[in-house]
Amino acid sequence: DGGITQSPKYLFRKEGQNVTLSCEQNLNHDAMYWYRQDPGQGLRLIYYSQIVNDFQKGDIAEGYSVSREKKESFPLTVTSAQKNPTAFYLCASSIDGSSGANVLTFGAGSRLTVL
Amino acid sequence: AQKVTQAQTEISVVEKEDVTLDCVYETRDTTYYLFWYKQPPSGELVFLIRRNSFDEQNEISGRYSWNFQKSTSSFNFTITASQVVDSAVYFCALTNRGGGFKTIFGAGTRLFVKA
Repeated sequence: DGGITQSPKYLFRKEGQNVTLSCEQNLNHDAMYWYRQDPGQGLRLIYYSQIVNDFQKGDIAEGYSVSREKKESFPLTVTSAQKNPTAFYLCASSIDGSSGANVLTFGAGSRLTVL
Repeated sequence: AQKVTQAQTEISVVEKEDVTLDCVYETRDTTYYLFWYKQPPSGELVFLIRRNSFDEQNEISGRYSWNFQKSTSSFNFTITASQVVDSAVYFCALTNRGGGFKTIFGAGTRLFVKA
């Protein structure tokens, strides 16, 4: 079955450490996205990529970094510069990123807790 | 600017009751798309429906129905004869050219359906 796989599902980090969240899709989608979800705030866009080797900042990119070296992979690194990284992180993909009609397909999410 | 407002933070109903989730959107574009997604306790958002701005016809899918009214900038979602399995967070979302076709989410409405 096609879909998006995120790992790990749960992650604990000490302050000052960088962590990388994995996102893999086998849907052959061109566009991929990272969202952050906090209680009562909906989903906020961190980074997105419309094509391999290209990505753009979203609304809350500070303290995060991404890469898109392969079509199926879009890892997110939460750096020590991110002031409040405890959150639920969702990866999504769509057929392409140039049409408003695109439906997002989501992974099951990764919950990051900073100790 | 574009914005999606879901004023209802939480709703609690008893099984078999009908429930309506409200969504109000803002956009200056004449072409846009509206969506509803469901997030069950597992965390993965699931697509429910997409509407484009030129199609105001209401839609029904089983126990789910959607009422799109451009005059009031609303895209409300009704669940008829609610079931415990409907318990989830529901997100209304918008894409438009002015937002670069990025999906803008409302804050979500958490629905509790009690047996």
